[in-house]
Amino acid sequence: GIQVEQSPPDLILQEGANSTLRCNFSDSVNNLQWFHQNPWGQLINLFYIPSGTKQNGRLSATTVATERYSLLYISSSQTTDSGVYFCAVRAPSGTYKYIFGTGTRLKVLA
Amino acid sequence: GAVVSQHPSWVICKSGTSVKIECRSLDFQATTMFWYRQFPKQSLMLMATSNEGSKATYEQGVEKDKFLINHASLTLSTLTVTSAHPEDSSFYICSAVRAGDYNEQFFGPGTRLTVL
Repeated sequence: GIQVEQSPPDLILQEGANSTLRCNFSDSVNNLQWFHQNPWGQLINLFYIPSGTKQNGRLSATTVATERYSLLYISSSQTTDSGVYFCAVRAPSGTYKYIFGTGTRLKVLA
Repeated sequence: GAVVSQHPSWVICKSGTSVKIECRSLDFQATTMFWYRQFPKQSLMLMATSNEGSKATYEQGVEKDKFLINHASLTLSTLTVTSAHPEDSSFYICSAVRAGDYNEQFFGPGTRLTVL
């Protein structure tokens, strides 16, 4: 099956700093989502981005499907950005299930 | 839109008892829902795909007699952990996709199960 690796596994930032999170996947995918899991466990949809670039406020994401990776950019980080960021991909195999990446644990210090 | 609820938020039970967790799509119809399990500091692991009106599809290694899934309506799926044991303690999360649009998953807030 598809393997989804995220890097870095852990990241500590000072408030106001920028960061780039990476998601690599081992095979072709036809869907990709980025999520933020807050400290209470809720997963929040950030982007649905099977290809191209999207922006939403301080966050933006780019997926290069042909090269099997996606990037999530966080600019001017805030303490509320802390949590775990997951990417999830769906294989073009006829099922709708998503495979989750290993996650990046982000801590933003005040 | 696209709100998913779960009930209960947390539950503590004795070993050997059964626990039912509900997952509801509040403002959309969901022909497909997914159940995940997450251990501390780990990623989400898909347990099963729940389809309205049909049997669930379980991932390899997940005991279907242990984790009973019922998707009786377009807005409700339930997961019953039967004869729970301490090793079943975990964070259980459901997600749903809109009927006719399978691109995005929307997640419930999760249920923390502790088996004593």
